[in-house]
Amino acid sequence: NAGVTQTPKFQVLKTGQSMTLQCAQDMNHEYMSWYRQDPGMGLRLIHYSVGAGITDQGEVPNGYNVSRSTTEDFPLRLLSAAPSQTSVYFCASSYGSFGEQFFGPGTRLTVL
Amino acid sequence: GIQVEQSPPDLILQEGANSTLRCNFSDSVNNLQWFHQNPWGQLINLFYIPSGTKQNGRLSATTVATERYSLLYISSSQTTDSGVYFCAFNTNAGKSTFGDGTTLTVKP
Repeated sequence: NAGVTQTPKFQVLKTGQSMTLQCAQDMNHEYMSWYRQDPGMGLRLIHYSVGAGITDQGEVPNGYNVSRSTTEDFPLRLLSAAPSQTSVYFCASSYGSFGEQFFGPGTRLTVL
Repeated sequence: GIQVEQSPPDLILQEGANSTLRCNFSDSVNNLQWFHQNPWGQLINLFYIPSGTKQNGRLSATTVATERYSLLYISSSQTTDSGVYFCAFNTNAGKSTFGDGTTLTVKP
């Protein structure tokens, strides 16, 4: 099993550009989520999904969109990048509502 | 919402020393995880521990859910133990709330 994979590992954007961060898991987990980690801080929840076709907002959703068309994939879209979105983005999945979370390796995003 | 507080925020040890990291939460939680974020930024699962005690090599963890805290013990620390240790509790729908972490530096 590859677990949770994320692409790209690094990305530099200019203000106003859009992009999609990819996340995939091969563990057949129902629950998937996106977090951002700013320097010196813990992770904060952006969006989450409880299954294909179902998504909801987390703590810091503004400026991001998600969709979940399959169990395996949960992409995160930045609509119009801003310097405040410079961060490290982690995708996670779990089996069960309170299950153990498994995290991908992260995407380091810089917005100039 | 439930708050998570980790202590100490920073810890510097000499190689071979033991340490205890603490995680307090403001209300009852269904489960708790400990992670190690290594210097390359990777989040590594250490323990999934809703209650009781678990051990894995030099690391062990204890969660006392009724008293709303969890402890992570590191014995005979090594330089490779350096990094940030996070506790997080898992709410419903597969979401996690993280503490701000303890930064551990182990000196040779």
